Formats: sequence, C-alpha cells, structure tokens
Amino acid sequence: LAKTTQPISMDSYEGQEVNITCSHNNIATNDYITWYQQFPSQGPRFIIQGYKTKVTNEVASLFIPADRKSSTLSLPRVSLSDTAVYYCLVGEGQAGTALIFGKGTTLSVSS
Amino acid sequence: DAMVIQNPRYQVTQFGKPVTLSCSQTLNHNVMYWYQQKSSQAPKLLFHYYDKDFNNEADTPDNFQSRRPNTSFCFLDIRSPGLGDAAMYLCATTVAGVTDTQYFGPGTRLTVL
Repeated sequence: LAKTTQPISMDSYEGQEVNITCSHNNIATNDYITWYQQFPSQGPRFIIQGYKTKVTNEVASLFIPADRKSSTLSLPRVSLSDTAVYYCLVGEGQAGTALIFGKGTTLSVSS
Repeated sequence: DAMVIQNPRYQVTQFGKPVTLSCSQTLNHNVMYWYQQKSSQAPKLLFHYYDKDFNNEADTPDNFQSRRPNTSFCFLDIRSPGLGDAAMYLCATTVAGVTDTQYFGPGTRLTVL
C-alpha cells in the first residue's frame, strides 16, 4: 500500500491561497492521487483527482510533479467554510481495491 | 438527491447488544466499503465488497460482520458492541474499473452505553 504523509495542521486567513502537500514516495505506476475534504460529523467528500501534471476544477487545483512522489492541493482564496480535514489518498492501481486514509491535514481558516 | 444513504444517522445501543447499520446507494456501483472513524482520527477501512466478493481487512475484529444482499444495500452487523466500538461508521461506494473515486454517505454515529 502506498503510504502518504501530510502536515498535521495548517492555518490560514480568509482570501489567501492554501497549498497542502502530500508525499507518496512509493506510488505505483497505475495509481491515481485523490483528495477528500471532511467536515465534522460528515462523510468525506471528493475534491479532486489526478494522475500527473496539473488538474483544475471549480474548487481546487492539483499539482503533480513528473516523478509523482508528491502532490500539492491548492485551494484559491479560502473562506471560513473551507475549515476542514483534507485527506490525500493514493490508489492501489486497480479500482475496487481499498483506499487507505492517512492522518489528514486539519486546515483552520480565520477571519 | 442523496446517492449514498445511511440509516440511522444516530444509533444508541447497549454494551453487548447486537446492532445493525444499513447503507443503500442509488449509483449502481459495484463496490461498497465500510469504514470506522473514531473521534479525531482518519477513517479506518473495515471491509469491502467487490460485487459479491467480500474482502475483510486483516485487523478487523471478528465482532464486525457484513452482508450485501444485492447491489444497492450493504449492512454492518456488530455482534457484541463494546465501549471501544463507539464511532462514526461510514459507507462508501465506487465503480471498479474507473478511477477509485469513492462516494461517501453521511455516516452513522454509534453510541454504546
């Protein structure tokens, strides 16, 4: 199983860009990188997924260098409602197998 | 519309009294997962179904069982709940052969008295 390492916590202010980096040194060739967001007492919610280079959607961007041993989730102009735990997951290479959650990063956004 | 539904949202049981949590999905996904999440911890995978094939994580206690009678429904049975089993239980689904994106339900918070 590919293991991921993220910062335990990060603090930011409203309107700032937040970048959360995840290390996954043992990522396999067929693995995708997926980020989830979780609010207290709710199930995790899919944010973004990528394989290489850059992926952007309406809520975030994901940057993946050529060696794919790390990835960076970028949240533009965060607001108070972005306060949550963010998890980086790396797939086993074949959908249908288990994804294992790491410890996640608790992002706190202040006004 | 809700895609992964968990009932009940809150469940209280007594020490040692069997309890069943349910999950249903309207996505027709062939893979369903059960996770346990304790306070301030990451979700921990208990087991998952790939169609009807059951896959148990090595460290999942025997006290936890699961049933999947059809594609849409999956149940988590806790045969003799202990105080340490109090947690949020999350159900998730995905489509095998795509890209591992999981869709989570809102969870059931289990309290053991």
